Amino acid sequence: GQQVMQIPQYQHVQEGEDFTTYCNSSTTLSNIQWYKQRPGGHPVFLIQLVKSGEVKKQKRLTFQFGEAKKNSSLHITATQTTDVGTYFCAATTSGTYKYIFGTGTRLKVLA
Amino acid sequence: GAGVSQSPRYKVAKRGQDVALRCDPISGHVSLFWYQQALGQGPEFLTYFQNEAQLDKSGLPSDRFFAERPEGSVSTLKIQRTQQEDSAVYLCASSLGSGVGELFFGEGSRLTVL
Repeated sequence: GQQVMQIPQYQHVQEGEDFTTYCNSSTTLSNIQWYKQRPGGHPVFLIQLVKSGEVKKQKRLTFQFGEAKKNSSLHITATQTTDVGTYFCAATTSGTYKYIFGTGTRLKVLA
Repeated sequence: GAGVSQSPRYKVAKRGQDVALRCDPISGHVSLFWYQQALGQGPEFLTYFQNEAQLDKSGLPSDRFFAERPEGSVSTLKIQRTQQEDSAVYLCASSLGSGVGELFFGEGSRLTVL
């Protein structure tokens, strides 16, 4: 079945460093969403990307959808301790409402 | 409440017992999803409802799993004859429309099967 891979699985950064997580699919995606899950919490929606090559920014977060709509990235500039958590991408393909979640990237920020 | 509500938050079951997990979505939300999340893993899709219609149940791992949403609002996920491998957090999410859109997740129901 469809799989969405994320890399890296874990990332430890010093506070103030940048962080990037990548999401890759072997199939063309209709849209992709990004979620953040704090330890012990539930996924919380961050953004949705629909168009090929789309780039969206939220303060220190930059989200990108690849030209071929098979990959996406989330970049955080100057990480803060509040950025700690696991970041998931979730994608759908044409003709389905089923959101397939990526494997997630767990971010730890060292003060 | 304003968010998605799930109950119970925690459930301990002996192997072989039946369990029922409830999800109360945000009022007016058309779409409802169930996901299973094992420790340290991403959420795995179980099933999708559009109002009362179950449009996709391809993720249900076996015929021991059954979900319903009879009136297009509250949903129940039932697991019969629980097994240890069923231990996980079961997440319910709702979204406003029938197409793509933001998923609002509940806090989840953590099931432990002994």
